[in-house]
Amino acid sequence: NAGVTQTPKFQVLKTGQSMTLQCAQDMNHEYMSWYRQDPGMGLRLIHYSVGAGITDQGEVPNGYNVSRSTTEDFPLRLLSAAPSQTSVYFCASSYVTGGIRGYEQYFGPGTRLTVT
Amino acid sequence: AQSVAQPEDQVNVAEGNPLTVKCTYSVSGNPYLFWYVQYPNRGLQFLLKYITGDNLVKGSYGFEAEFNKSQTSFHLKKPSALVSDSALYFCAVRDRAAGNKLTFGGGTRVLVKP
Repeated sequence: NAGVTQTPKFQVLKTGQSMTLQCAQDMNHEYMSWYRQDPGMGLRLIHYSVGAGITDQGEVPNGYNVSRSTTEDFPLRLLSAAPSQTSVYFCASSYVTGGIRGYEQYFGPGTRLTVT
Repeated sequence: AQSVAQPEDQVNVAEGNPLTVKCTYSVSGNPYLFWYVQYPNRGLQFLLKYITGDNLVKGSYGFEAEFNKSQTSFHLKKPSALVSDSALYFCAVRDRAAGNKLTFGGGTRVLVKP
């Protein structure tokens, strides 16, 4: 299994540009999520999904859109990039109903985004 | 709302000495608690979890954590630290009312010196 994959690894945008961060998982996990990591602030949840066609907002959703058309993919769209969105972005996935399959989330390697 | 606190930004320990990383939580109902580790320029890796059962939980790389309900704590421990344990450690609590949302603490950087 490839686990959770993210592309690109690095990206530089100008203010106002849009882009999509890609995330895919091959573990048939129902739950997928996007976090941003900023120094001293841990990880903050942007959006999450509990299955194909179902998404919801997390703690810091403004400026980001998501969709979940398949179980495997969960792209994150930046509509109009701002310097405040400079961060490292992580995608994660897990089973929703853990039991013997576990509740732990599996994280991708991250995308480092700089907005100038 | 649930929350997680990691009171130490950094922990310094000599190689071979015991390592403790502190975590306290606030959540309604029974908590599901996790520890993750992040090495430089990498994603987070799962270390261990407490769901139910024994208060002492054993995980990967020789780490363990003790769940203490009365003190609402879930401290991470390792009896003998290695230089390779130097990393950023995150404590997290699962929101059982919202799918599988995790709330993370701010992280504790561990530096193990030879």
